[in-house]
Amino acid sequence: AQKITQTQPGMFVQEKEAVTLDCTYDTSDPSYGLFWYKQPSSGEMIFLIYQGSYDQQNATEGRYSLNFQKARKSANLVISASQLGDSAMYFCAMRDPPGGGKLIFGQGTELSVKP
Amino acid sequence: KAGVTQTPRYLIKTRGQQVTLSCSPISGHRSVSWYQQTPGQGLQFLFEYFSETQRNKGNFPGRFSGRQFSNSRSEMNVSTLELGDSALYLCASSLSGTVNTEAFFGQGTRLTVV
Repeated sequence: AQKITQTQPGMFVQEKEAVTLDCTYDTSDPSYGLFWYKQPSSGEMIFLIYQGSYDQQNATEGRYSLNFQKARKSANLVISASQLGDSAMYFCAMRDPPGGGKLIFGQGTELSVKP
Repeated sequence: KAGVTQTPRYLIKTRGQQVTLSCSPISGHRSVSWYQQTPGQGLQFLFEYFSETQRNKGNFPGRFSGRQFSNSRSEMNVSTLELGDSALYLCASSLSGTVNTEAFFGQGTRLTVV
């Protein structure tokens, strides 16, 4: 079975600085994908970025990028130039099993951006 | 392109009642999955439907059920509500729910059982 671990319950970052949110995973399948979601206090889960295990390059979407290290089984989210609106919970997720419709999530990291 | 729509957004029910939540996926998406989010348990998978068939089920009692219609809209039902069912219920929509397809969530339904 797949497993996702986020070890940072909470983090602070200064506005306009970059921040890295950690995510490690465990799977024995060669084909899988990692998702990152942002959940503001309103509750909606907002899709940020996706990385497939066979993707040659790290995924990027605007200010979001994924530092994907397969050998270490880590898929860290990097947010550049943090904004006050980035304050939220962030979840790392993957499908379990990789080819199925079920998502499993890490425990989440609460990011607070300071002005 | 419209996103995933969940209705209602907020709901207050009494113990013992039943409730039905609705999820309209993104047009063309055939996979809908449901999740329960509580402060204590985090995000837990309830079930997934694909082309009107339940494809996967989480570890929840039989009071939790769901279905999917031919237009891919999905409903979940909780009967005989308990206080512990108070949670944010989220649904996710995918094109096919396979490894390389992204999953998009609705805004959630916040259920309070009193």
